[in-house]
Amino acid sequence: DVKVTQSSRYLVKRTGEKVFLECVQDMDHENMFWYRQDPGLGLRLIYFSYDVKMKEKGDIPEGYSVSREKKERFSLILESASTNQTSMYLCASSSAGTANTEAFFGQGTRLTVV
Amino acid sequence: AQSVTQLGSHVSVSEGALVLLRCNYSSSVPPYLFWYVQYPNQGLQLLLKYTTGATLVKGINGFEAEFKKSETSFHLTKPSAHMSDAAEYFCAVSDHGDDYKLSFGAGTTVTVRA
Repeated sequence: DVKVTQSSRYLVKRTGEKVFLECVQDMDHENMFWYRQDPGLGLRLIYFSYDVKMKEKGDIPEGYSVSREKKERFSLILESASTNQTSMYLCASSSAGTANTEAFFGQGTRLTVV
Repeated sequence: AQSVTQLGSHVSVSEGALVLLRCNYSSSVPPYLFWYVQYPNQGLQLLLKYTTGATLVKGINGFEAEFKKSETSFHLTKPSAHMSDAAEYFCAVSDHGDDYKLSFGAGTTVTVRA
């Protein structure tokens, strides 16, 4: 069974903290993504990676960075957490090939910044 | 860049009634089109996708969607709603480029009345 696993379901962090969200996939996928989900806004792409050590900015990269040192792992980093980063974060992966390939999602991490 | 519009943020239907969720995209070139479902406290799961060929696409759980190029639409339907269909539904598109990014609509929450 294909799996994308996010390390935490719920996180509470303080303003100014450095926050790491971890995502691991076991499907040997080339592509990995971080999305942010907010009510009424759908999912917005923060960053994506199409290969180890490669990254591309999505639509809302400000305040975030990413790391992909191994093919199966893609980390999202909030350099200095702020209350406006309180949200649901979803990791996804897909195989390379064509743009019609299915993306597989993790269960999400609900982050609250206080 | 692609954009996706889902008409109606909330839809309420009676059990056994038709479910119709509307999705329109903006693109001069037909993109790849997807519908994802998110059950409470879970990640997203693919319902169905349109790539090329037959414009009526059948998915899981009795859902289907029809691609209409002239209307730039990809509406999702299910003839008879079940209580288990209560969830949030997202329409998404990707273009024919090679970066495999999905652009999502804002989502439609479906509630099913007994």
